[in-house]
Amino acid sequence: EPEVTQTPSHQVTQMGQEVILRCVPISNHLYFYWYRQILGQKVEFLVSFYNNEISEKSEIFDDQFSVERPDGSNFTLKIRSTKLEDSAMYFCANNDGGAYNEQFFGPGTRLTVL
Amino acid sequence: KNEVEQSPQNLTAQEGEFITINCSYSVGISALHWLQQHPGGGIVSLFMLSSGKKKHGRLIATINIQEKHSSLHITASHPRDSAVYICAVESRGSQGNLIFGKGTKLSVKP
Repeated sequence: EPEVTQTPSHQVTQMGQEVILRCVPISNHLYFYWYRQILGQKVEFLVSFYNNEISEKSEIFDDQFSVERPDGSNFTLKIRSTKLEDSAMYFCANNDGGAYNEQFFGPGTRLTVL
Repeated sequence: KNEVEQSPQNLTAQEGEFITINCSYSVGISALHWLQQHPGGGIVSLFMLSSGKKKHGRLIATINIQEKHSSLHITASHPRDSAVYICAVESRGSQGNLIFGKGTKLSVKP
């Protein structure tokens, strides 16, 4: 069964450093999402991406964040200058139809900012 | 105010018991999702529904759009059902992005 993969599984970085989190979605899926979950808290929406552009973003997704699909397969989330409060589990998800469709989640990347 | 509320927050059951987890939401939705999060953190979709009832094995999900309420039932619970169960909604007009509840942590004892 096709699955979503994410790399790395765990990333440790120093405050102020840039990080890039990578996701390989299921091949025929066109709608992509990033979510984050701070330890002990609920999952929060960051951004959705369709047709090579952002379709929606939350208040969390400020200028420090960016997303792209650089090579038509990988889907990346970049945090330009990490802060301590960016420490969280980051999940990518995707589906083939946007709304009204089951979402398929990756296993997550645990980001620790020191 | 949370747009998606779940109850209970924590639930301990004996193997074989019938389990119900409730979800209420305050926004207009196009669909509601039930998800399972394992101790390692991975999230799996269980159901997506916009009306009525769905059944998959020992799991049943129902939704009442008028009352803005959904329930997830587990029949004949088993220790392997132990996980966090999360209710999430797609608000009307969104591109499918989800608004999550805080989750219900279920522990089924043998």
